[in-house]
Amino acid sequence: AQKVTQAQTEISVVEKEDVTLDCVYETRDTTYYLFWYKQPPSGELVFLIRRNSFDEQNEISGRYSWNFQKSTSSFNFTITASQVVDSAVYFCALRAGGGGADGLTFGKGTHLIIQP
Amino acid sequence: KAGVTQTPRYLIKTRGQQVTLSCSPISGHRSVSWYQQTPGQGLQFLFEYFSETQRNKGNFPGRFSGRQFSNSRSEMNVSTLELGDSALYLCASSATSGGAQETQYFGPGTRLLVL
Repeated sequence: AQKVTQAQTEISVVEKEDVTLDCVYETRDTTYYLFWYKQPPSGELVFLIRRNSFDEQNEISGRYSWNFQKSTSSFNFTITASQVVDSAVYFCALRAGGGGADGLTFGKGTHLIIQP
Repeated sequence: KAGVTQTPRYLIKTRGQQVTLSCSPISGHRSVSWYQQTPGQGLQFLFEYFSETQRNKGNFPGRFSGRQFSNSRSEMNVSTLELGDSALYLCASSATSGGAQETQYFGPGTRLLVL
């Protein structure tokens, strides 16, 4: 069975601060995929990034960066110079297996509040 | 390209009734998945359809069912509604066979309130 843990329930920072959202996962599969989604108050989950288990390269996209470390089963997400528009709930998710894979396994989410 | 659309967006039902929710995937996408989101349990996988066939099912009672049509549109049905079925129901589509590598794109959800 898969499991995703987001230990930070809520984080509140002041605008322009950097913030890191933690994600730790568990799976017995050697092939798996990790995802981050953002859920603004409107409710729709917005896809941010996908990573496969064979690619440990960190990734940077504008103010967003992701640090994937298989040794610690972590896939952390950092927002640099945060903005009020970044306020949302962020979910880390895992999906393992081949063509018959189960659905996404989500963490409980981290509610990020960026104060002006 | 239009995103995933879900109808209705809001719904109020009473216990014992049944409800049908609809999802239209992104044009060209053939796989549709459904998730339930509640404050207590978080986001939980309900089922996944590809080519009108259910590929996977989460740990939900038989009151929850779904189907997919030849145009990839999907419906989910909940019969004999219980108070605990109050939730945000999210539909997601992916391009092909729904393997683990496929990115799922989500719709805005249907918020169901059971009284």
